Amino acid sequence: NAGVTQTPKFQVLKTGQSMTLQCAQDMNHEYMSWYRQDPGMGLRLIHYSVGAGITDQGEVPNGYNVSRSTTEDFPLRLLSAAPSQTSVYFCASSPPGTSTGELFFGEGSRLTVL
Amino acid sequence: DAKTTQPTSMDCAEGRAANLPCNHSTISGNEYVYWYRQIHSQGPQYIIHGLKNNETNEMASLIITEDRKSSTLILPHATLRDTAVYYCIVSRNAGNNRKLIWGLGTSLAVNP
Repeated sequence: NAGVTQTPKFQVLKTGQSMTLQCAQDMNHEYMSWYRQDPGMGLRLIHYSVGAGITDQGEVPNGYNVSRSTTEDFPLRLLSAAPSQTSVYFCASSPPGTSTGELFFGEGSRLTVL
Repeated sequence: DAKTTQPTSMDCAEGRAANLPCNHSTISGNEYVYWYRQIHSQGPQYIIHGLKNNETNEMASLIITEDRKSSTLILPHATLRDTAVYYCIVSRNAGNNRKLIWGLGTSLAVNP
């Protein structure tokens, strides 16, 4: 049971490049989400999904796209990277029918945009 | 969701109990108190949550005051591996809405 797996762990991009951060979970969790964590700030919600085919915006969605074609995968796309998107990104999932606060996190993806 | 206030940092001796306070004076009746921790930039880890009653699990105990305006997370016998940032979060347990609002937490240093 791998839990929540994020790839890549580290990435360096140039301004304007695009890339996708991958997130996969093998726990059959319906809820998945993406957060970013910046120095001096708490984790901020980017996008979330309550099930396959359903996504919604969080607190800081601009510059990011998501899709949810399967229960297992929830990729985060940066269409045109900007230095302001330099951050650590965390994917999290949660099972149905339990406390909605119990999130399972991946180990993070550290992105630097030059 | 209600905001929380936590001390920026705390120290604790190894083997002693670590008591981490959290103030949530604007909490409403349907809001839960959650605790997570983050060890050295790893992904946050769920610890415990509660509504009104005190809660205990294999990791920690959660003490919520009767008026629910504050709570304390207790690590009964802190070890060096408990050195981490501890987050207290208040959130409604509202179906599929898991929009937790994260603050900066308390940085706990467990010293040998």
